[in-house]
Amino acid sequence: EDQVTQSPEALRLQEGESSSLNCSYTVSGLRGLFWYRQDPGKGPEFLFTLYSAGEEKEKERLKATLTKKESFLHITAPKPEDSATYLCAVGTFGNEKLTFGTGTRLTIIP
Amino acid sequence: DAGVIQSPRHEVTEMGQEVTLRCKPISGHNSLFWYRQTMMRGLELLIYFNNNVPIDDSGMPEDRFSAKMPNASFSTLKIQPSEPRDSAVYFCASSSGTGMEIQYFGAGTRLSVL
Repeated sequence: EDQVTQSPEALRLQEGESSSLNCSYTVSGLRGLFWYRQDPGKGPEFLFTLYSAGEEKEKERLKATLTKKESFLHITAPKPEDSATYLCAVGTFGNEKLTFGTGTRLTIIP
Repeated sequence: DAGVIQSPRHEVTEMGQEVTLRCKPISGHNSLFWYRQTMMRGLELLIYFNNNVPIDDSGMPEDRFSAKMPNASFSTLKIQPSEPRDSAVYFCASSSGTGMEIQYFGAGTRLSVL
C-alpha cells in the first residue's frame, strides 16, 4: 500500500526565516510526486509535479526537490502570504489516482 | 472559466437523513474526483470518473455512499443514511487527463451530521 508521510505537522517561522518541509513516501513505483497548497476554507491548489530523483522545480520563494525516498519543499525568505497547508501526493504506475499526505500547516509571523 | 463549482458550501443535517453533494467540473475536463478531508485522515479519494464512467470506487467507505456522473458537466455524491462520522469536508476535483494530470479542486462542501 502506498504511504505518504509529511513532517512536521505544523511549522511557525518568522518572516524571512527559511526552512524546509518534508514528504517521505513508500510506493511500488513512483510515477509522479505532486505538491499542492491549501488555504483555509479553500480547495488545494497545484504547485509542482516532480517525476524523477534529482529533479528540482521553483516558483517564487518555493523550490521542490525529489530523491528516491522523499521530497522537500524549501521556502526561502517566506512572507506572511505563504502561510497555508502544504500537501504532498504521490501517483504510481498502474494506478490513476493520487495518495495524499496529511499536510504541513505553515504559519509565517510578520 | 469559473473553475470547479460545488454546492452547497455548507450542509448541516441530522443523522439518518439523505445528503446530496453536487459538482460541476471545468468544461472540457474528462476526469472527475471526489475526495473527503478530515483532520485525522487527511485527503482521501472516494471515487474517480473518467469520461463519465466510474473507474475506481475503492475509496467509497460503504454502501451508504453512492456517486453518479450522468453527463460531462455534473456529478453527485449521495450519502443515505448519513451518520455523524460522515462529518467532513468533501471536495470535487477535475482534470484534463487522468489522475496524474493537474487536478483542479472546488472550494468544498463542509458537511456536519448531528
